[in-house]
Amino acid sequence: AQTVTQSQPEMSVQEAETVTLSCTYDTSENNYYLFWYKQPPSRQMILVIRQEAYKQQNATENRFSVNFQKAAKSFSLKISDSQLGDTAMYFCAFMRDFGNEKLTFGTGTRLTIIP
Amino acid sequence: DVKVTQSSRYLVKRTGEKVFLECVQDMDHENMFWYRQDPGLGLRLIYFSYDVKMKEKGDIPEGYSVSREKKERFSLILESASTNQTSMYLCASSFGPPEAFFGQGTRLTVV
Repeated sequence: AQTVTQSQPEMSVQEAETVTLSCTYDTSENNYYLFWYKQPPSRQMILVIRQEAYKQQNATENRFSVNFQKAAKSFSLKISDSQLGDTAMYFCAFMRDFGNEKLTFGTGTRLTIIP
Repeated sequence: DVKVTQSSRYLVKRTGEKVFLECVQDMDHENMFWYRQDPGLGLRLIYFSYDVKMKEKGDIPEGYSVSREKKERFSLILESASTNQTSMYLCASSFGPPEAFFGQGTRLTVV
């Protein structure tokens, strides 16, 4: 079974600063996907960024980037130039690259951006 | 855009009631999921379905059942609601890796 661990229940950072959210996972699979989802107060889960395990290059989406360390089973999210709209719960998630697969989530990090 | 719609955003039910949470998706996805979200526990999978009339238990199926009579609709059923089932419930759908799409969530309170 896969497990996903987020060890930072809460974080806060000043607006315009950079913040890094941590995530580790455990799996015996070689082919899988890793995700960061954002859940703002509206409760809608929004995909922030996705990483394919077979890709060595770290994924980036505008101000969001990941540091994917496959051997260490680590997948951190870096948010640059943080904005008030980044205030949300952030969930790290894992999905095997196999058939009808489900997402396995971490416990989440509540991020607050301070004006 | 993919749309996953949950029938209610907020629901208040009494202990012992039979409760139905409905989820509809409009993208012909084979896979549909019900998750429960609690503070400090993240999202935990209750049940999922990979085809009409097919279902599989997730990590916390006790006290719940599901129904999928049509491809686009996946219902979560609380046969006899209890206060420990007060939670946020999230539905999702996908056609397989690498993505899933979520509804807006139903906050259920059992009193």
